Amino acid sequence: DAGITQSPRHKVTETGTPVTLRCHQTENHRYMYWYRQDPGHGLRLIHYSYGVKDTDKGEVSDGYSVSRSKTEDFLLTLESATSSQTSVYFCATAGGHGTEAFFGQGTRLTVV
Amino acid sequence: LAKTTQPISMDSYEGQEVNITCSHNNIATNDYITWYQQFPSQGPRFIIQGYKTKVTNEVASLFIPADRKSSTLSLPRVSLSDTAVYYCLVGDLKTNNNDMRFGAGTRLTVKP
Repeated sequence: DAGITQSPRHKVTETGTPVTLRCHQTENHRYMYWYRQDPGHGLRLIHYSYGVKDTDKGEVSDGYSVSRSKTEDFLLTLESATSSQTSVYFCATAGGHGTEAFFGQGTRLTVV
Repeated sequence: LAKTTQPISMDSYEGQEVNITCSHNNIATNDYITWYQQFPSQGPRFIIQGYKTKVTNEVASLFIPADRKSSTLSLPRVSLSDTAVYYCLVGDLKTNNNDMRFGAGTRLTVKP
């Protein structure tokens, strides 16, 4: 498996608090992605990065921000968590060959 | 990525061969066809990727006709553990849009 680590794996937080999820890769892949998955909605792209300091919005970016200061780390921040952001978050990386990508184990976030 | 269309769901029985077809009429010259498998509570797992004709690995085969407007993922002799959602993606991150979005996929249910 590709060297992708998400942290934390589980988190419970209160409404209104900031939360940062981390995705760390050891593959030197150029592209990195953050998705959320909710029952009945499938995978939805939040933000993605096509290089260090190069990021763009996905289909559900409201309420989220990202940063990529080095190749191996892609951070997803919920500035002020809401209950609607309770979800499972997946990170993925891709080297650029077609659409071949590798996913992390996921982070289960609960906002109470 | 190119727009793709695949069946929402399929049923099969253990030991049968399963073929899942994906339509992608507006595939671009540089695009690859990639398939993923996702089990509940896990991130998608890359299965196979191809550009033209046939690709085979230890898990599946991918058949791509000459016009490349469709493709078929073939799973030989499925077992209960092949019950999962299968996604078809068409694109090339290096030359086209880096925005990698997943559709609803095909939910395969394998019955005893």
